[in-house]
Amino acid sequence: NAGVTQTPKFQVLKTGQSMTLQCAQDMNHNSMYWYRQDPGMGLRLIYYSASEGTTDKGEVPNGYNVSRLNKREFSLRLESAAPSQTSVYFCASRTRDYEQYFGPGTRLTVT
Amino acid sequence: AQSVTQLDSQVPVFEEAPVELRCNYSSSVSVYLFWYVQYPNQGLQLLLKYLSGSTLVESINGFEAEFNKSQTSFHLRKPSVHISDTAEYFCALLGSGSARQLTFGSGTQLTVLP
Repeated sequence: NAGVTQTPKFQVLKTGQSMTLQCAQDMNHNSMYWYRQDPGMGLRLIYYSASEGTTDKGEVPNGYNVSRLNKREFSLRLESAAPSQTSVYFCASRTRDYEQYFGPGTRLTVT
Repeated sequence: AQSVTQLDSQVPVFEEAPVELRCNYSSSVSVYLFWYVQYPNQGLQLLLKYLSGSTLVESINGFEAEFNKSQTSFHLRKPSVHISDTAEYFCALLGSGSARQLTFGSGTQLTVLP
């Protein structure tokens, strides 16, 4: 039981490049989330998926897109990276009694 | 709108001393609260939660938190800290919308000194 896995762990992009962050969970959870973490700001919700086939915007969705490929996988795409998207990105999934399980994170630097 | 305020960004404390990490919330609906811990270069792990029932909740590693509705607080305490408790601690409030997402405070860095 691996929990929530994320790839890659680290990534450096140039401004304007695109990339996809991958997330998978093996706990059969319906709900999944993408957050970004910036110093002194806690975690902020980018997008979430309440169930397979549905996605919706969170607090800071601009510049991102998501895909809920199936119940296990929820990917986050940056179409044209900007320096303001330099951050640590966390994927999470949620149990029925609202506990969220987090992946190890992806550290992204945009130059 | 819901919000979470963690009053201290940094808390240094000596080993075996007690510690309190403060958290206040604002919410107009039912309140579900969580504390998460983040060790360096890792994801967040659930420490404890309050959903209903007893207002005092405990974790397996000696932390406890008390839900205080009148003071809108959910402070985290430990009577005697260890070096291994050094980490960042986040208080979070469960949202009432369809997403049921967490609203996080800005975090408190607990540093335990030898």
